[in-house]
Amino acid sequence: GAGVSQSPSNKVTEKGKDVELRCDPISGHTALYWYRQRLGQGLEFLIYFQGNSAPDKSGLPSDRFSAERTGESVSTLTIQRTQQEDSAVYLCASGLQGALSEQYFGPGTRLTVT
Amino acid sequence: AQTVTQSQPEMSVQEAETVTLSCTYDTSESDYYLFWYKQPPSRQMILVIRQEAYKQQNATENRFSVNFQKAAKSFSLKISDSQLGDAAMYFCAYRSALRRKLVFGKGTKLTVNP
Repeated sequence: GAGVSQSPSNKVTEKGKDVELRCDPISGHTALYWYRQRLGQGLEFLIYFQGNSAPDKSGLPSDRFSAERTGESVSTLTIQRTQQEDSAVYLCASGLQGALSEQYFGPGTRLTVT
Repeated sequence: AQTVTQSQPEMSVQEAETVTLSCTYDTSESDYYLFWYKQPPSRQMILVIRQEAYKQQNATENRFSVNFQKAAKSFSLKISDSQLGDAAMYFCAYRSALRRKLVFGKGTKLTVNP
């Protein structure tokens, strides 16, 4: 079946503009995660959705970052008033509810803020 | 907070040889999971192998095996009979049994020489 998809693949934006990044999880996956990967670094957790439970937002770096997910479908990550330090690859992953459930990653969106 | 350290930014190996990638982690928890992920240039993170902390037996997946030393908080990855397709960034990751987010190391770039 289809894997996790993300759009756009690449995004270049000017400093101060807002951007929206989209993630389509694998059908039936109740868990959805967003991570950020800065150049030469590992992934940093941003936010986690599990079904209709309150999301775990503990990784969001500032109030300029927000994410939404309706039910078990698409998620959007919004970055307002982008800054140059927001330049990174943003990766989405989805998984089943089980404690040992694997996280299946999408190909990411490369965001460049000029 | 948990941390994951990969002390080898780059490693190289000859095709068909064996290579070991190092990973150490810091946690006060007793129940957790450890993972190795592979990230080729396509950016897609692929799960290579996982280990439950409560299991004493080291996990193996075909040519990939781990050396899990719980007391030393060490989790190294051994790749046997290295192939050109193994060339990638390798990330070690930690997950608490209580939370779903993954904590990643900074990665090791593996080059496989023909």
